[in-house]
Amino acid sequence: QKEVEQDPGPLSVPEGAIVSLNCTYSNSAFQYFMWYRQYSRKGPELLMYTYSSGNKEDGRFTAQVDKSSKYISLFIRDSQPSDSATYLCAMSAWVGKIIFGKGTRLHILP
Amino acid sequence: DGGITQSPKYLFRKEGQNVTLSCEQNLNHDAMYWYRQDPGQGLRLIYYSQIVNDFQKGDIAEGYSVSREKKESFPLTVTSAQKNPTAFYLCASTSTRWAYSNQPQHFGDGTRLSIL
Repeated sequence: QKEVEQDPGPLSVPEGAIVSLNCTYSNSAFQYFMWYRQYSRKGPELLMYTYSSGNKEDGRFTAQVDKSSKYISLFIRDSQPSDSATYLCAMSAWVGKIIFGKGTRLHILP
Repeated sequence: DGGITQSPKYLFRKEGQNVTLSCEQNLNHDAMYWYRQDPGQGLRLIYYSQIVNDFQKGDIAEGYSVSREKKESFPLTVTSAQKNPTAFYLCASTSTRWAYSNQPQHFGDGTRLSIL
């Protein structure tokens, strides 16, 4: 079983819809969870950084962590064409390498 | 604005040639990293450095070399021993000295290396 699994997509949704992006993981020691957005030919940009379980909201973005299910989500409300990008989840334990998911390609259709 | 600058944006390598990718940061970060990104394979760690004049191999170091002579700079050389160098190379940094920490990494905008 891979440490971090992320559906590669592509995921296509109409403008204005709520987007749900997800990752599952197998290492119960992971406590720190990140979401990055990567536009084509650019480096990943940190969107959200959370610790342990619960929700964190920043504008149109909400990160959710369910440690009991080893499942994390990123929700994008009122999606815009500018949200079209690849979204990478990443996670780490208290100490240890950051493990990245392979990314989900998202297309927001105008 | 603070950030990580990678250059060049595009690079072409001839057979048998070594090429060097530049990474400079003005974030005053201690730890720096090099990743390789291939389609469908995610990010793979090549090398990392926690402090000047010290660096460690990552998961796919063969065919690559690095140096860390200044805190701000962490260049990556892709040697002729790397038989499949075509990829997108990303440099990252974190504020903590401990490379294997829980702090998020901040990335540059990458260099795309291709074979001529």
